[in-house]
Amino acid sequence: QVQLVESGGGLVKPGGSLRLSCAASGFTFSDYYMTWVRQAPGKGLVWLSYINIDGRTIYYADSLKGRFTISRDNAKNSLYLQVNTLRAEDTGLYYCARGGEGPAAPFDYWGQGTLVTVSS
Amino acid sequence: QSALTQPASVSGSPGQSITISCTGTSGDVGGYNYVSWYQQHPGKAPKLMIYDVTNRPSGVSNRFSGSKSGNTASLTISGLQAEDEADYYCSSYTSSSTQVFGTGTKVTVL
Repeated sequence: QVQLVESGGGLVKPGGSLRLSCAASGFTFSDYYMTWVRQAPGKGLVWLSYINIDGRTIYYADSLKGRFTISRDNAKNSLYLQVNTLRAEDTGLYYCARGGEGPAAPFDYWGQGTLVTVSS
Repeated sequence: QSALTQPASVSGSPGQSITISCTGTSGDVGGYNYVSWYQQHPGKAPKLMIYDVTNRPSGVSNRFSGSKSGNTASLTISGLQAEDEADYYCSSYTSSSTQVFGTGTKVTVL
């Protein structure tokens, strides 16, 4: 069965950095676009970024302003999100989700999320 | 990219039908038939309920249906059940080759 397991979250001070990971199993990882979505406590879903199957096509939400970098390692069936210059408003649950064969595909499987808390 | 606009809350009695709207622009909802809907129960990950405006993934009840007119997409839940009480989010592909979610709607079963 398809499984997505995020890790790497934690408590970090403003201005700090984290590398979030998403381990995929149960499907051919290299066949799918992958995406990251954030949900602040008690708030809605915010799409952050997606990456195509070979990692050469990447898009980010405008609000990230170059602070986040998505990447993937198909040999390790893993998705990553490097998050830099963290701000309090970056606090939230970070989900990875499976896309499809293109950037417009829906997100049909989601992990349980990894929590990032930005606080001094 | 601004979030798509959804009503904050919608409620209905068991057995009734409710409709949740999702309003965007010609650069997202109105320009593409790539609108999806997600259900999220408290403390759980979102679940895909509708994709490409009208399509249901395998295993999703046929009580859930989607439609679109102009810049507004809609999710209808018929025969409302207690288990349908959750938050619902629309999403759309955009002209910037990104995706955008709606503001979310809390569905309450009275």
